[in-house]
Amino acid sequence: KAGVTQTPRYLIKTRGQQVTLSCSPISGHRSVSWYQQTPGQGLQFLFEYFSETQRNKGNFPGRFSGRQFSNSRSEMNVSTLELGDSALYLCASSLGSVGGFSGNTIYFGEGSWLTVV
Amino acid sequence: KNQVEQSPQSLIILEGKNCTLQCNYTVSPFSNLRWYKQDTGRGPVSLTIMTFSENTKSNRRYTATLDADTKQSSLHITASQLSDSASYICVVSAAGTHGGSQGNLIFGKGTKLSVKP
Repeated sequence: KAGVTQTPRYLIKTRGQQVTLSCSPISGHRSVSWYQQTPGQGLQFLFEYFSETQRNKGNFPGRFSGRQFSNSRSEMNVSTLELGDSALYLCASSLGSVGGFSGNTIYFGEGSWLTVV
Repeated sequence: KNQVEQSPQSLIILEGKNCTLQCNYTVSPFSNLRWYKQDTGRGPVSLTIMTFSENTKSNRRYTATLDADTKQSSLHITASQLSDSASYICVVSAAGTHGGSQGNLIFGKGTKLSVKP
């Protein structure tokens, strides 16, 4: 069974540009969630999509957005990039929502390393 | 404010020894607590998930405990191996104010474990 796949693996962007990251969840999983990981802040929850609807959202500015398609694949977009956006962006999938009382196992991808120069 | 604190920040042990990592949280209302292992440059891998009613969960040489009254959790690693060298991250899920699946994930900064031969 294929795991969570993220593309691209590495990318370099210039300040002010925008970037789109892609995530393919494990087959059958309806929830896709996104996370930012930096050395200073650690892992932080960005948002979760479930059946094409945003279910949960972390405390990030509106420059960070996402969407989910009918096949559960998801994209994350960051507009007007800042140097501080340099980070490892992780996508994860699970059968049910990551929040609530369900306790679903969350499976992470290998991440996309974004460097903003 | 919902927070997750982990200690120690880093730990060095000899191969074959046991160790215990700590996680204290101030997340309310509490939904569940997860422990993840993250190898350098890789995505996190789930070790255990515990809901409010569970106080112990084991996964091979990893045993997690949860005390919901004191809001503390620990991860005990038995007979450590070189492959246990990684960051261990505690994640607490906050149930949404409306219950159900609305919620958020709060991550600790992790404990970096180094196992030496």
